[in-house]
Amino acid sequence: AQSVTQPDIHITVSEGASLELRCNYSYGATPYLFWYVQSPGQGLQLLLKYFSGDTLVQGIKGFEAEFKRSQSSFNLRKPSVHWSDAAEYFCAVSSVRGSNYKLTFGKGTLLTVNP
Amino acid sequence: EAGVTQFPSHSVIEKGQTVTLRCDPISGHDNLYWYRRVMGKEIKFLLHFVKESKQDESGMPNNRFLAERTGGTYSTLKVQPAELEDSGVYFCASSLRTQDASPLHFGNGTRLTVT
Repeated sequence: AQSVTQPDIHITVSEGASLELRCNYSYGATPYLFWYVQSPGQGLQLLLKYFSGDTLVQGIKGFEAEFKRSQSSFNLRKPSVHWSDAAEYFCAVSSVRGSNYKLTFGKGTLLTVNP
Repeated sequence: EAGVTQFPSHSVIEKGQTVTLRCDPISGHDNLYWYRRVMGKEIKFLLHFVKESKQDESGMPNNRFLAERTGGTYSTLKVQPAELEDSGVYFCASSLRTQDASPLHFGNGTRLTVT
């Protein structure tokens, strides 16, 4: 069965610092991978997704993620964090090939941004 | 366009009572999904509607949970009778299609507390 591991439950960074959130997945075929963000009191918002092609994908809000098949990873990065990026971040893999609906999520990483 | 709307935002009920959660998807979205996040755990898929039909309900925990989608518009998720372990945040999402190009739009969730 597929699974997603986000090793870091909570990360704290200073505003302006770079950020990398880790995500490892277990999936038998080529995965469809996603990063979602949940700001306080809000729903989940899609940051970016990987289906095929270029392994470095760009998303909204200045985020990017790199798919590394050899490491089964899909880490999320941002070169300079803003205070508004404080939120919980979820990595997910699609459980149904070719589909985006039946997602398996990681437990999430809570990001705190210090001024 | 209006987003996915969920009612209520919070619900506190006693064990053994019944609760009904409602989701209004984005207009025109045939696909509607329910997910749940129990405290400290991953967000997990519950079920998927295509219009008024249940396409996949493999994630429903047990027969105390009943989901309906009248006329292919809004959906309700009833828990009867509620148990302590049902506490968590219930998310609804909708999409135009299930194929990869169609993103899931999530609502803000309903936080259910069973005491």
